[in-house]
Amino acid sequence: DSGVTQTPKHLITATGQRVTLRCSPRSGDLSVYWYQQSLDQGLQFLIQYYNGEERAKGNILERFSAQQFPDLHSELNLSSLELGDSALYFCASSVSGADEQYFGPGTRLTVT
Amino acid sequence: EDQVTQSPEALRLQEGESSSLNCSYTVSGLRGLFWYRQDPGKGPEFLFTLYSAGEEKEKERLKATLTKKESFLHITAPKPEDSATYLCAVQDSGAGSYQLTFGKGTKLSVIP
Repeated sequence: DSGVTQTPKHLITATGQRVTLRCSPRSGDLSVYWYQQSLDQGLQFLIQYYNGEERAKGNILERFSAQQFPDLHSELNLSSLELGDSALYFCASSVSGADEQYFGPGTRLTVT
Repeated sequence: EDQVTQSPEALRLQEGESSSLNCSYTVSGLRGLFWYRQDPGKGPEFLFTLYSAGEEKEKERLKATLTKKESFLHITAPKPEDSATYLCAVQDSGAGSYQLTFGKGTKLSVIP
């Protein structure tokens, strides 16, 4: 158990819908990262927050957005969902940023 | 653009048969190279961080080494419980963020 929690574990929704994924980092970690893992692309970085502020963006679609709240938990919002958005979404956290990242168990999103 | 290539894609070993996994990388400047283990449907589990060429780290049957262009994960006398996908990732010191760029992994199967 890494100490990073993610909810829900599974999510099944229809195309065009909007969902919210939630992540709570390890106690004491200020940085939160979101990654997407699909069979063909592997693990892809989406976005990073540090102590409530956006730090970096990867290949995140405009339909996706995220935020980190004062209690340091983070939410990833996915809208206008398409079939190709079906994937595992992982949250990771680290103390600062330069150190190792610890991953949560993931949310499996299925868009039908 | 940072690139990470892992080989082989898949590896089958008999229990006790030692081998090595390769991770070749291209970055403008290496802040760190990370090894993770991932079981099916689970989040990546942190194994090692290597920071400079010549560095080595060990944990049980695993040993990670680093050169200026590649890293190796040596597995000595593997057991069936070592079966998993092993992921390599780099952190670029030239990037403004601390995102990880992952390879696609090596799927290891250890046969009793």
